[in-house]
Amino acid sequence: NAGVTQTPKFRILKIGQSMTLQCAQDMNHNYMYWYRQDPGMGLKLIYYSVGAGITDKGEVPNGYNVSRSTTEDFPLRLELAAPSQTSVYFCASSSRGQGTEAFFGQGTRLTVV
Amino acid sequence: QKEVEQNSGPLSVPEGAIASLNCTYSDRGSQSFFWYRQYSGKSPELIMFIYSNGDKEDGRFTAQLNKASQYVSLLIRDSQPSDSATYLCAVNPSAGGTSYGKLTFGQGTILTVHP
Repeated sequence: NAGVTQTPKFRILKIGQSMTLQCAQDMNHNYMYWYRQDPGMGLKLIYYSVGAGITDKGEVPNGYNVSRSTTEDFPLRLELAAPSQTSVYFCASSSRGQGTEAFFGQGTRLTVV
Repeated sequence: QKEVEQNSGPLSVPEGAIASLNCTYSDRGSQSFFWYRQYSGKSPELIMFIYSNGDKEDGRFTAQLNKASQYVSLLIRDSQPSDSATYLCAVNPSAGGTSYGKLTFGQGTILTVHP
């Protein structure tokens, strides 16, 4: 049982480059989330999705885009990378949303130089 | 801005002692409260969740919730060196209906259990 799988685990980008962080879950969860975690800080919500074709902004969406074409996949797109996007990115999913446990992927450590 | 506040620590306790971790939240309508443990370089993993006022016990862990005081805590009894980690408090904020499982996290408390 893989749970939530994120790729890549590590990435270094140059300022202005773009990339997509991949996230896939095999638990048939409707709800999926992207969080970022800066050093010594808690996680902040970037975007979330309540099902295929439905996405919405979280607390810190600027500089990011998402799509949800299938229940399993929820990629996060960074356009024109900036040093402020240096962070650890976590994808998560949950079965029923409100009041249920969120399962996290192993994270992607991104450095923008 | 809905906020969740934790003492960032570090909190250092001797092996076998009780570790007490605290969290306050600003959204009075919050309904669900979670404690996640995060080892260095790893992803958060759920330890406890609590929905109702009072205490909830699971093994060495006890979560306590006081909605009137907007306060949630985690007690770890018989602390072990393997409990050394960052503990994240997370809250499902209210949104006039459902928050779709979105979580607002505190900054985390670093716990060190020394032999």
